[in-house]
Parts: sequence; C-alpha cells; structure tokens
Amino acid sequence: TQLLEQSPQFLSIQEGENLTVYCNSSSVFSSLQWYRQEPGEGPVLLVTVVTGGEVKKLKRLTFQFGDARKDSSLHITAAQPGDTGLYLCAGRPSNTGKLIFGQGTTLQVKP
Amino acid sequence: DAGVIQSPRHEVTEMGQEVTLRCKPISGHNSLFWYRQTMMRGLELLIYFNNNVPIDDSGMPEDRFSAKMPNASFSTLKIQPSEPRDSAVYFCASSWAGGADTQYFGPGTRLTVL
Repeated sequence: TQLLEQSPQFLSIQEGENLTVYCNSSSVFSSLQWYRQEPGEGPVLLVTVVTGGEVKKLKRLTFQFGDARKDSSLHITAAQPGDTGLYLCAGRPSNTGKLIFGQGTTLQVKP
Repeated sequence: DAGVIQSPRHEVTEMGQEVTLRCKPISGHNSLFWYRQTMMRGLELLIYFNNNVPIDDSGMPEDRFSAKMPNASFSTLKIQPSEPRDSAVYFCASSWAGGADTQYFGPGTRLTVL
C-alpha cells in the first residue's frame, strides 16, 4: 500500500512568518499535487508537479518535487491569515487514475 | 460552470437506515471519484469510475457500501444499513482522464448516523 505522510499535522503561526510543509513516501509517484481545503468545502488544486526536482511558484507559495519523485514540500513565505486552511498532498501512482492523499496539514495564521 | 454537484449537503439518519448520496460530475469529465473524509483517517478514496465503469473499488469498506454510475452525468453512493461509524463527509470528484489529472471536488455531503 502506497502511503503519503505529511508533517507537521498542525501548524499555528503569526502573520508574516515563513513555513514549510513536507510530504514523504517510500514509493515513487508519477505526479504529485497539492490541494487546499477550507471548512465546509472540497479540496481545490493548487499545483501539480511531474518532473523530479521540479520547482513551481504560485505567488508566495513554492512547491518542490523531490529528485526521486518520492517526496514534496510546500513553502509559504510571509504567511497571511488568508492562507489558513487544510493543505493536502496527493500522489498519483504510475499506471493508475487514482490519487493517494496525505493526512493533511492544518495551518492557522494569526493576525 | 456549475462544478460538481452533490446532494444532499447534510444528512442525519438513524442506525440501520439506508442512505443514498448523489453526485453530478462536471459535464465532459469521464472519471468520477467517491471519497470519505474523517478526522481520524483523512481523505480516503472509496471507488472510482472511468467512462461509467468501476475501475477500483478496493477502498469500499464493506458490503454495506455500493456505488453506481448509470450514465456519464450521475452517480450514487449507497450505504445499507448505515452505522454510526459511517459518519463522515463524503466527497465526489470528477476529472478528465486524458488531461492533467486535476480532480474537481464537490462541496461534500456531511453524513451523521445516530
């Protein structure tokens, strides 16, 4: 069974601080996605990374896919209260249409 | 675009009752996924369909759970009989399998089994 472990599970920081969320597995994924979920809503895709070592930036968010395509990180610079939410990583095993989701990281950014 | 539509948004029922959750995927999408989300277990894939055909139902917890997709625009997830441990938020998501694998999630159905 392929698993994705996210850390930390919970993070509470002050506005303006930087943070990094990690997503690790012993398995290789053909692609990895990051989703953000707000209370009462479904997850919404932020980014997809496909190539080992790939780095993508979305405003203050930086996403990296590990060289071996087994892990990923999400770095947020100068966090804002609007960044508060549940962040989920999801990996797609090869030759399958399904996604394996991590447990999620609950981020709270206090003003 | 209407997005993925799920109904009902909230369901409260008593143990032993049958529960049917409904999903309308985004028009043109050919893959549909049913997930269950709880605090303890996170977001778990229950079953997914490709072109209305069930591809992987290994996540369906028990025979009490069944899912159907009679056509490209409608799917149901049924629990019969329901149990308190089935209480969770159930999400439906759809995607275009030939695209970038982006899954578009519905707003979810919050199920409470008393």
